[in-house]
Amino acid sequence: AQSVTQLGSHVSVSEGALVLLRCNYSSSVPPYLFWYVQYPNQGLQLLLKYTTGATLVKGINGFEAEFKKSETSFHLTKPSAHMSDAAEYFCAVSDRYSGSTLGRLYFGRGTQLTVWP
Amino acid sequence: EPEVTQTPSHQVTQMGQEVILRCVPISNHLYFYWYRQILGQKVEFLVSFYNNEISEKSEIFDDQFSVERPDGSNFTLKIRSTKLEDSAMYFCASSETSGRGSPLHFGNGTRLTVT
Repeated sequence: AQSVTQLGSHVSVSEGALVLLRCNYSSSVPPYLFWYVQYPNQGLQLLLKYTTGATLVKGINGFEAEFKKSETSFHLTKPSAHMSDAAEYFCAVSDRYSGSTLGRLYFGRGTQLTVWP
Repeated sequence: EPEVTQTPSHQVTQMGQEVILRCVPISNHLYFYWYRQILGQKVEFLVSFYNNEISEKSEIFDDQFSVERPDGSNFTLKIRSTKLEDSAMYFCASSETSGRGSPLHFGNGTRLTVT
């Protein structure tokens, strides 16, 4: 089974500062990679995904993530944090190989982002 | 933008009671899922459902759980005899295609509290 590690359960930044949320996966075959965001009392909303092609992917709300195979990482960044970015962020992966369950995502524990004024 | 809708948002039940959590997936989606998140733990896969049958289930999805698509729009998760450890946030999700890179669209969740 896949394992997803999000380093740091809580990250705090000032408004306007760089946001960096870390995600590493365990499999030797690069999986499909996703970042989801959860605002209070809401569901999980897809921020961005990597399936193939360009390793730097752009998502909604100014977020982007870079797939680095050599580091088995898919870190999420945003150049300038906004108060509205305060939420919980989940990294998730799904297997590429044909024997795996369709739609089965493996989630990290989540990182709570706090943005200070 | 189309949404996955879950009802109720919060359900409180006594241990041993049956509960049904309801979901209305996005209308043109064909693949349906249930996930859950116990407080402080990871979001975990429970079951996937396609063409009116379970595609796969996790080790969590034991005999007390069942899923059903009773009509063309609803997708339900039933827990027959709830236990304290079933307390969690339950998320329904749907996807349009079967591709493994297809993003899942999640509902807002149902918080189940078993007392």
